[in-house]
Amino acid sequence: DTAVSQTPKYLVTQMGNDKSIKCEQNLGHDTMYWYKQDSKKFLKIMFSYNNKELIINETVPNRFSPKSPDKAHLNLHINSLELGDSAVYFCASSFESRLVAYEQYFGPGTRLTVT
Amino acid sequence: QQQVKQSPQSLIVQKGGISIINCAYENTAFDYFPWYQQFPGKGPALLIAIRPDVSEKKEGRFTISFNKSAKQFSLHIMDSQPGDSATYFCAASTQAGNNRKLIWGLGTSLAVNP
Repeated sequence: DTAVSQTPKYLVTQMGNDKSIKCEQNLGHDTMYWYKQDSKKFLKIMFSYNNKELIINETVPNRFSPKSPDKAHLNLHINSLELGDSAVYFCASSFESRLVAYEQYFGPGTRLTVT
Repeated sequence: QQQVKQSPQSLIVQKGGISIINCAYENTAFDYFPWYQQFPGKGPALLIAIRPDVSEKKEGRFTISFNKSAKQFSLHIMDSQPGDSATYFCAASTQAGNNRKLIWGLGTSLAVNP
């Protein structure tokens, strides 16, 4: 009965490869997010999708492409991986309302190591 | 430009002591201030949150103090326990177009010594 799940939990790959991370939420939320957490623990929002529509697209290299096939899923595809992409990637979900702030629920994270 | 400034970066407290983490902001449009707790190897989870119409919110050993005029808010952990050792993030939320935006602090690593 995991609320927000991510696969894989660990991902080790070489520079130049293409990889994907998958995320699923069973909370009925309408908004999903991708965050990157670097070695200094800083959390950086990358993307946000609301009802399958991209609503936040921070300054992220276009090698990163999110895809939301439905409200419950948000995948992250990364092309031509670089050493600097090594980090922990978190998926999160919440309800979205302009007037009311809702809690974000985070997945367990995917630790990506690029060698 | 860091819109939510969090300090200290790291904190060591003895068991039973009080842990205090501070955050400051500039944007007066922020209307929701959550604190998230992250244990090693886990995702962040909401700990406690406050809206600017109250000056304090308490949940168990955790208290948020909010000073609207100073544009500051802080997390106090009373009777700190080793199990409280984690990274704590403050954040602030505001309306952004048709949606909302959550701005995160840089985090505070708390270690509670037994």
